Amino acid sequence: GDSVTQMEGPVTLSEEAFLTINCTYTATGYPSLFWYVQYPGEGLQLLLKATKADDKGSNKGFEATYRKETTSFHLEKGSVQVSDSAVYFCALSRGTYKYIFGTGTRLKVLA
Amino acid sequence: DAGVTQSPTHLIKTRGQQVTLRCSPKSGHDTVSWYQQALGQGPQFIFQYYEEEERQRGNFPDRFSGHQFPNYSSELNVNALLLGDSALYLCASSSVPGTANYNEQFFGPGTRLTVL
Repeated sequence: GDSVTQMEGPVTLSEEAFLTINCTYTATGYPSLFWYVQYPGEGLQLLLKATKADDKGSNKGFEATYRKETTSFHLEKGSVQVSDSAVYFCALSRGTYKYIFGTGTRLKVLA
Repeated sequence: DAGVTQSPTHLIKTRGQQVTLRCSPKSGHDTVSWYQQALGQGPQFIFQYYEEEERQRGNFPDRFSGHQFPNYSSELNVNALLLGDSALYLCASSSVPGTANYNEQFFGPGTRLTVL
């Protein structure tokens, strides 16, 4: 069945460092791919998405490219801020149906 | 425009009890999905409601049931609570195919359920 694998955290970075959080997926066909962010005590917020191969999703300085050949959707940001500290979830879906989430990666950014 | 709302925010129950959680979808959305997020884990799909019927179900026992009302709001019911049911329960809404961003789910803040 479909699945999502994320790199384990926590990831601890200094402010202004480069961020990469790896995400790979297993699925047949062409699912849509998403990154969600969860701040402490809150629900999930959509960060970015891509719906077809080679699409690049971007938002708030974060980027991720849908790579069909490597079944990956790695999240990157050139310069992280303390306010980026949160848990990041990679997810896939087919159409309007269920999302399948990874286990999440906790990011801690130090001033 | 209100987003997805859920109630209550927190809930404490004892084993064997029953609980009902509520969700109102984002304006313009007609599909509601429920997820269970255990501590330190990613959300797990419970089921999805569309046109007042359960359209798809994840790997959860029959103790978990739901309902969708004509105004698209939804309830999640859990019977015979177990300690392992303690989790954050998330509701997400989405719109029909053909509308903008139909494959995008918007999540509510969740209901934190603690079973003692």
